[in-house]
Amino acid sequence: DAGVIQSPRHEVTEMGQEVTLRCKPISGHNSLFWYRQTMMRGLELLIYFNNNVPIDDSGMPEDRFSAKMPNASFSTLKIQPSEPRDSAVYFCATGTGTYGYTFGSGTRLTVV
Amino acid sequence: GQSLEQPSEVTAVEGAIVQINCTYQTSGFYGLSWYQQHDGGAPTFLSYNALDGLEETGRFSSFLSRSDSYGYLLLQELQMKDSASYFCAVGNQAGTALIFGKGTTLSVSS
Repeated sequence: DAGVIQSPRHEVTEMGQEVTLRCKPISGHNSLFWYRQTMMRGLELLIYFNNNVPIDDSGMPEDRFSAKMPNASFSTLKIQPSEPRDSAVYFCATGTGTYGYTFGSGTRLTVV
Repeated sequence: GQSLEQPSEVTAVEGAIVQINCTYQTSGFYGLSWYQQHDGGAPTFLSYNALDGLEETGRFSSFLSRSDSYGYLLLQELQMKDSASYFCAVGNQAGTALIFGKGTTLSVSS
């Protein structure tokens, strides 16, 4: 298994544009998590899914953010419209607390 | 609310021992985890404690005291490659997502 795969690795976009981040999780795991990391706020949970169903999206900053998991092999995080304060590294992860999460390599988003 | 407190920075020299503390306040508790993250990389899982006591894995050990809402990560025989950020994380119940502390940056010098 190639692990959790995220794309793109880097994204630079202009304010107001739509951004879509993608995640292919490790097969066999029921849960998928989206986190955002910044120097100021650290690793923040945005949303997580169990069996493709969103369980807790209370960390999604505002309506500009949306996430989907149409099947067990794929998830997207969309920001529309993007703003400079959305600049961060976005991580997708699978796993359990007991045995550990496996994180993807992250998407470094820069909104100018 | 939930919060985790850990020091922002720790410095040490090669071969030394360092302890990174973590105190937490959560509505429930289902275990304390530790993750390591090198610059530009993704967090990687180090350890998990559900019960009180010390868990040892090679040069790294992790301790938990549930009554004190406190844990620590102990790194022994420090190497330059241990320079990284270390995060404690708490799950407040089974099946929920981990909440991470802000991280401790460890700098190991020769």
